[in-house]
Amino acid sequence: EAGVAQSPRYKIIEKRQSVAFWCNPISGHATLYWYQQILGQGPKLLIQFQNNGVVDDSQLPKDRFSAERLKGVDSTLKIQPAKLEDSAVYLCASTFAGSTEAFFGQGTRLTVV
Amino acid sequence: GENVEQHPSTLSVQEGDSAVIKCTYSDSASNYFPWYKQELGKRPQLIIDIRSNVGEKKDQRIAVTLNKTAKHFSLHITETQPEDSAVYFCAASKTDKLIFGTGTRLQVFP
Repeated sequence: EAGVAQSPRYKIIEKRQSVAFWCNPISGHATLYWYQQILGQGPKLLIQFQNNGVVDDSQLPKDRFSAERLKGVDSTLKIQPAKLEDSAVYLCASTFAGSTEAFFGQGTRLTVV
Repeated sequence: GENVEQHPSTLSVQEGDSAVIKCTYSDSASNYFPWYKQELGKRPQLIIDIRSNVGEKKDQRIAVTLNKTAKHFSLHITETQPEDSAVYFCAASKTDKLIFGTGTRLQVFP
């Protein structure tokens, strides 16, 4: 079974630039999550999708972060403009609808300089 | 909302010894408690989980215990091996949203 795919693996940008991350969940997984993992901390949920609808985005800094899952499969997370404190690993995870067993992608390591 | 605290932040043990990592949660409605292992530069991977209707679960050298009254759960690793070295995260959930602890870096010395 193919896992959760994310790209790019690494990204370095200057502050105030924009960046986008892509995630392809496991086939058939209706629920998709984006997590932010700052070095030395646990993953923090940014947004949760059920198919193409947003279930929870209460922790998403909406002034600079946006995410979409237009067709209910792939998802993109965008940051515009980036700040130094956005440096982190951005993890995508997916589950079957109603399931709690989350499968994670490899993550995108973002460095903002 | 749910808050998960995890201790210790770092743990060093000798190969063959046992390791215990503890987590507490705040929301008594949480009913699912997974543990993830994250090796350096790799994705978190589920190693064991427990639901609120069970007090203990074991899988070879790994066990998890849950005390619903005290709202805490623990990961026990026996006969540790160098390949157990990683960061371990606990999490709690009452729906399909996981709230993670801050992680424990386990180092197993040969």
